[in-house]
Amino acid sequence: EAGVAQSPRYKIIEKRQSVAFWCNPISGHATLYWYQQILGQGPKLLIQFQNNGVVDDSQLPKDRFSAERLKGVDSTLKIQPAKLEDSAVYLCASSFDRGPFNEQFFGPGTRLTVL
Amino acid sequence: KQEVTQIPAALSVPEGENLVLNCSFTDSAIYNLQWFRQDPGKGLTSLLLIQSSQREQTSGRLNASLDKSSGRSTLYIAASQPGDSATYLCAVVDTNAGKSTFGDGTTLTVKP
Repeated sequence: EAGVAQSPRYKIIEKRQSVAFWCNPISGHATLYWYQQILGQGPKLLIQFQNNGVVDDSQLPKDRFSAERLKGVDSTLKIQPAKLEDSAVYLCASSFDRGPFNEQFFGPGTRLTVL
Repeated sequence: KQEVTQIPAALSVPEGENLVLNCSFTDSAIYNLQWFRQDPGKGLTSLLLIQSSQREQTSGRLNASLDKSSGRSTLYIAASQPGDSATYLCAVVDTNAGKSTFGDGTTLTVKP
């Protein structure tokens, strides 16, 4: 079974530029998560989708971050404009569903450096 | 707001020792708790998932326990090996919309 795919793996941009990340979840997984992981910390949930609807985006900085999951499959996360403090690893995860049985599976992440 | 704490932040042990990693959470209204392993520069690998109705789960040399009433979970690693060196993270999924909250992890070093 293929795992969660993410691209690109690495990205370096100047502050105030825009960047987009792509995620393809495990086939059949209804729930998709985007996390931000700053060095030395645990992942912080940015947004959670159930199919193509948003379940939680309370920690998403909506003035600069946006995410969509068209057709309930793959997803993109965009930052516009980027700030220095956005330097982090952006992780995508998926699970079959929410609830007690929702084991999350993670992709390899995208390491973003903002100069 | 759910808060997850992992203590200690770092741990170094000689090969062969049995060890325990701790995870505590403030809100007991959870669906499940999941333990992950993260190697440097890599994504997270799922180790064990304990549903809220369960007390423990085992996989090979790993055993995870859950005490929901006290807001605590432990990950027991038996006969540690240098290959176990990694950062171990726990995450709880709360019953309100199934939101995940992670701890900051414990970085384990097993010395040969």
